[in-house]
Amino acid sequence: ETGVTQTPRHLVMGMTNKKSLKCEQHLGHNAMYWYKQSAKKPLELMFVYNFKEQTENNSVPSRFSPECPNSSHLFLHLHTLQPEDSALYLCASSLDFIAYNEQFFGPGTRLTVL
Amino acid sequence: AQKVTQAQTEISVVEKEDVTLDCVYETRDTTYYLFWYKQPPSGELVFLIRRNSFDEQNEISGRYSWNFQKSTSSFNFTITASQVVDSAVYFCALSEGSGRNQFYFGTGTSLTVIP
Repeated sequence: ETGVTQTPRHLVMGMTNKKSLKCEQHLGHNAMYWYKQSAKKPLELMFVYNFKEQTENNSVPSRFSPECPNSSHLFLHLHTLQPEDSALYLCASSLDFIAYNEQFFGPGTRLTVL
Repeated sequence: AQKVTQAQTEISVVEKEDVTLDCVYETRDTTYYLFWYKQPPSGELVFLIRRNSFDEQNEISGRYSWNFQKSTSSFNFTITASQVVDSAVYFCALSEGSGRNQFYFGTGTSLTVIP
């Protein structure tokens, strides 16, 4: 595997389900990100981890819970979601959390909440 | 206020035409970084270019070229002799030089190249 991988690619869940999204990067990076992409809106940064420590939480509802066990893996735990949470969730990584570093993105998980 | 504006929501061109995608940004930082990404239908954002605020030299990479003008706070992207494979959503992003790698993305421009 190379780059940034995400599983699953598609997920359909009910409002009472609990599920997790997984992201893995094979680039030796130290910073990882979760973004939400909704139609006609800019990508929304949700969480940032730098060297496994959470550095950013952009007012994300508590029904989204991130976990970063090591610099290569990032999870997003989902519970009691709402239909408006349906979106493409993108994971990204960069060398570290410094302004000039480009971010490398995974293919995303298309989430549908019924 | 939005830090990055991509006023063109959708553009359609016929194959082999040139097309320019506009990006206007807003920042008070003197050091900042601008990026362009391509998102094909597969969903993955592909990094295309990074430009530093202190380097206004335009860049060309094959059929792609970028025009950075600080005077107008613009970082426009031109595709020459467009091809069907260029069909995608293109995003412009800003990262301010205050030390944190937080990207501000525009809403994207959806480009369709018609064969």
